[in-house]
Amino acid sequence: AQSVSQHNHHVILSEAASLELGCNYSYGGTVNLFWYVQYPGQHLQLLLKYFSGDPLVKGIKGFEAEFIKSKFSFNLRKPSVQWSDTAEYFCAVNYMDTGRRALTFGSGTRLQVQP
Amino acid sequence: EAGVAQSPRYKIIEKRQSVAFWCNPISGHATLYWYQQILGQGPKLLIQFQNNGVVDDSQLPKDRFSAERLKGVDSTLKIQPAKLEDSAVYLCASSTRGGPTDTQYFGPGTRLTVL
Repeated sequence: AQSVSQHNHHVILSEAASLELGCNYSYGGTVNLFWYVQYPGQHLQLLLKYFSGDPLVKGIKGFEAEFIKSKFSFNLRKPSVQWSDTAEYFCAVNYMDTGRRALTFGSGTRLQVQP
Repeated sequence: EAGVAQSPRYKIIEKRQSVAFWCNPISGHATLYWYQQILGQGPKLLIQFQNNGVVDDSQLPKDRFSAERLKGVDSTLKIQPAKLEDSAVYLCASSTRGGPTDTQYFGPGTRLTVL
């Protein structure tokens, strides 16, 4: 079965530190890739997405992610985090070749940024 | 633009009781999703509607869960009877067409506790 792995469950960083959150998916076919974020007390919202073209994708609030097909990975990065980046981050994958349009989510990474 | 609305926000019931959740998607969005998010896990799709037809209900426990989307707008998700393991946040999301690259917009969720 298709799965999405986020190996870092809880990350604690100081402000201005660099961030990289890992995301690996299990399927070798065609995929669309998403990162969603949930700030405390708010809804899940889209951070960025990739479906074709340049494998380096830029999203909102200075986030970016790189799709590396050979590694089945879509890691999220930010050069310098802020306290306001404290949130839970979810990687999600749409496995095109299954014919399903549903997203498969990872278990999430809780990021805590200390001032 | 109004977002996805859900009610109630919280619900506490005893096992074997019934419960229903309501969702109003973003106006004009043809596709509606119900997800279940158990504590410590990512959202898992229960059912996907395209207008008022079911597109994917492969992960819906049909012996106790049911959902409908009459008139292709609002939707209700019902659990009857509830079990302890149904304790979770139930998220509703909508998208314009349900295409593989569409952004899904999430509501605030309903937190269900089954005692």
